[in-house]
Amino acid sequence: AQSVTQLDSQVPVFEEAPVELRCNYSSSVSVYLFWYVQYPNQGLQLLLKYLSGSTLVKGINGFEAEFNKSQTSFHLRKPSVHISDTAEYFCAVSEGYGGATNKLIFGTGTLLAVQP
Amino acid sequence: NAGVTQTPKFRVLKTGQSMTLLCAQDMNHEYMYWYRQDPGMGLRLIHYSVGEGTTAKGEVPDGYNVSRLKKQNFLLGLESAAPSQTSVYFCASSRDNHGYTFGSGTRLTVV
Repeated sequence: AQSVTQLDSQVPVFEEAPVELRCNYSSSVSVYLFWYVQYPNQGLQLLLKYLSGSTLVKGINGFEAEFNKSQTSFHLRKPSVHISDTAEYFCAVSEGYGGATNKLIFGTGTLLAVQP
Repeated sequence: NAGVTQTPKFRVLKTGQSMTLLCAQDMNHEYMYWYRQDPGMGLRLIHYSVGEGTTAKGEVPDGYNVSRLKKQNFLLGLESAAPSQTSVYFCASSRDNHGYTFGSGTRLTVV
């Protein structure tokens, strides 16, 4: 079974500073990896995903993530954050190619709090 | 396209009452899911469906039932609501395992 760990429940950062949100996963099979963003009182929106190929994945709003198989990590980064990036960010994992159920397992989330 | 639509958006129930949450998708997706979101716990899978007429238990199925009589609809039922079921409920659908489309959520309070 897969699991996802987001060790940081909250990350405060100043506007225009870089940020990294950490995500580690465990799985006995190949996986697909995702980052979702949830703005206050809204649903979840897909930021980016890793399915195969290049380990550096670029998403919307200037975010990117790097898949590191040896460290079982999929950390999310942005070189310069804006106030509007304040939201909760969820890392998720699903079975890779050939998976039968497509279930997504989510981490507990990281609240990115951007301060002026 | 509307995507994934959840009704109602808000509901307050008394302990012991029953209710049904409706999820409808217009993308012809095979897979549909119900999650609950609680502070500090992320999203936890309640039940899911891999196609019309099928349902399966997720991580936290107790106290909930589901039905998928039509491909586009996935219903989540609470037969006897309890305060522990106070949560935000999200429905999602997918065509494959390349990512979900989420609804906007239902905020349920059980008093």
